[in-house]
Amino acid sequence: QVQLQESGPGLVKPSDTLSLTCAVSGYSINNNNWWGWIRQPPGKGLEWIGYIYYTGSTYYSPSLKSRVTMSVDTSKNQFSLKLNSVTAVDTAVYYCARKDEENYDAFDIWGQGTMVTVSS
Amino acid sequence: QSVLTQPPSASGTPGQRVTISCSGSYYNIETNPVNWYLQLPGTAPKLLIYSNSQRPSGVPDRFSGSKSGTSASLAISGLLSEDEADYYCASWDDSLTGWVFGGGTKLTVL
Repeated sequence: QVQLQESGPGLVKPSDTLSLTCAVSGYSINNNNWWGWIRQPPGKGLEWIGYIYYTGSTYYSPSLKSRVTMSVDTSKNQFSLKLNSVTAVDTAVYYCARKDEENYDAFDIWGQGTMVTVSS
Repeated sequence: QSVLTQPPSASGTPGQRVTISCSGSYYNIETNPVNWYLQLPGTAPKLLIYSNSQRPSGVPDRFSGSKSGTSASLAISGLLSEDEADYYCASWDDSLTGWVFGGGTKLTVL
């Protein structure tokens, strides 16, 4: 079955760059899907960060656009997120997710999430 | 402040029917489909309703969705204790050119 798994440092210093990778298994990242990142600060709601297509096309949240870069590595069947100049407000659980284009037009498969804390 | 507005909490007793509202604008809910997600404590969100009222395979028909104008609703009938979770609505926003979520509603089964 399709599985997504986030990986990356759990602790990032203020002003540094947060880097996460999402490995996709059981499914080709080259299919007709957008591959996204969504985050959830502790005790708060969900926030869409952006997504990327396997061709490299991207959509980013306007509020984070100046600090976000997403990339895709089709040879490794994975995609990545970089968020620069982080502060404490970027502390959150970061989820990667697949947006289905064929049936749902929704985020139908999610990773388990990875907690990232921004602190010195 | 979320673009989509949900009540922070809702509650019901086992067997009851509860509804959760989601209010937006012309640029999101009125123009685009609404999806609903369920998030159990400590777990990733799960797609519950897509395209306003459609259920993915495996989602019980106790869950139903509807939309009218700039608002959408999620209804849960025959409430079970296992329905206790956070529920989020989401839609594409043409003005922001991005996905927006509601702030989430915590459902308590009394």
